[in-house]
Amino acid sequence: EVQLVESGGGLIQPGGSLRLSCAASGFTLSSYAMDWVRQAPGKGLEWVSYMSSGGNTKYYADSVKGRFTISRDNAKNSLFLQVNSLRAEDTAVYFCAREGNGYAFDYWGRGTLVTVSS
Amino acid sequence: QSVLTQPPSVSAAPGQKVTISCSGSSSDFGNSYVSWYQQLPGTAPKLLIFENNKRPLGIPDRFSGSKSGTSATLDITGLQTGDEADYYCGTWDSNLSSGLFVFGSGTKVTVL
Repeated sequence: EVQLVESGGGLIQPGGSLRLSCAASGFTLSSYAMDWVRQAPGKGLEWVSYMSSGGNTKYYADSVKGRFTISRDNAKNSLFLQVNSLRAEDTAVYFCAREGNGYAFDYWGRGTLVTVSS
Repeated sequence: QSVLTQPPSVSAAPGQKVTISCSGSSSDFGNSYVSWYQQLPGTAPKLLIFENNKRPLGIPDRFSGSKSGTSATLDITGLQTGDEADYYCGTWDSNLSSGLFVFGSGTKVTVL
């Protein structure tokens, strides 16, 4: 069974950093493109970042470019999102998602909440 | 980054049909596939439609999608109370160098 479990969120002060993790099971992470998507409280979905299956292509939303970095550890079958220079507007639930057919997000984790506040 | 436009809300009685539209620019849709997601309250999104009109295993045929030009549509027939949720369309920006995925603004479906 495919499962994605995020962790690493929490309450962090503006300007701080966190490393979000997404542990995958039931499939080999390096065989799929993976993404991070976030959702601010009461708001819609916002795509954040993409990593190709080969790991050599990465994309970021303009709102996080230069502050967030996507990576993965094939041995741990885990995806990561390093989030730096956090701002209040980064407060959101962060989901990791697997890309399946047609570049659609076919599996999602339950998300991890990041709250940026002083 | 553009956002695909969806109606904020639609509603209908049980058993009826609702249609959710998703409008974008040519750079959004172009030749890109559209996908649709259902998000029940307090849960993660779930894939309903991929490649414009295909359903993953386990998604009932009450849900159907289509795409034409710079718009896409999700139809839900035989509406059930369990269909009350937020629905989002999404697509990759066809300007590939940007590598951006864009979601629609979301539509809340209410079963009267």
